[in-house]
Amino acid sequence: DTAVSQTPKYLVTQMGNDKSIKCEQNLGHDTMYWYKQDSKKFLKIMFSYNNKELIINETVPNRFSPKSPDKAHLNLHINSLELGDSAVYFCASSSRQGVEKLFFGSGTQLSVL
Amino acid sequence: EDQVTQSPEALRLQEGESSSLNCSYTVSGLRGLFWYRQDPGKGPEFLFTLYSAGEEKEKERLKATLTKKESFLHITAPKPEDSATYLCASTQGGSEKLVFGKGTKLTVNP
Repeated sequence: DTAVSQTPKYLVTQMGNDKSIKCEQNLGHDTMYWYKQDSKKFLKIMFSYNNKELIINETVPNRFSPKSPDKAHLNLHINSLELGDSAVYFCASSSRQGVEKLFFGSGTQLSVL
Repeated sequence: EDQVTQSPEALRLQEGESSSLNCSYTVSGLRGLFWYRQDPGKGPEFLFTLYSAGEEKEKERLKATLTKKESFLHITAPKPEDSATYLCASTQGGSEKLVFGKGTKLTVNP
């Protein structure tokens, strides 16, 4: 069974569209994250949720809105997509916030045309 | 701002040729230094966590060490299946954020 699963794997869309990426973890973890990996492979945190509560919100445009319906799910909705949003988005989870190892999903490659 | 710098950006080795990857971090209260492995098209996979200078951890052909300013990932007698990008990350000070370096892409030729 996949520990952290995210869908879709690939997402190709036009500028200006709205899209969502879904993430689910079956590890029983309390904390979930969204990371963005750009074309240079630099991995940077976007958001962190602990027990459905937003903990970390980096300087991400407010077109990006995370939603956590329960502690096993953290979805990412993106409005008015721009070319610069093209990247690989990774969902991750950890047993608690703080100095804990992360378990990552396999990523969603978003291409905005 | 806290930073994590990895070197080299890319490394090519022959099978069996041992080497080390470097990760340096700005010192502002290190809480944990992490090493991850990332294969193409996949998410990073956890390897090690180091918490204090002098600490060492090993797993198969990999050994991670930590000093007050940097960490090394030593690869002994690598095999082609060790080819991947190795990422270093740290949490520092009062932040809960895990800050990643840009990674070292390792290629091991048979």
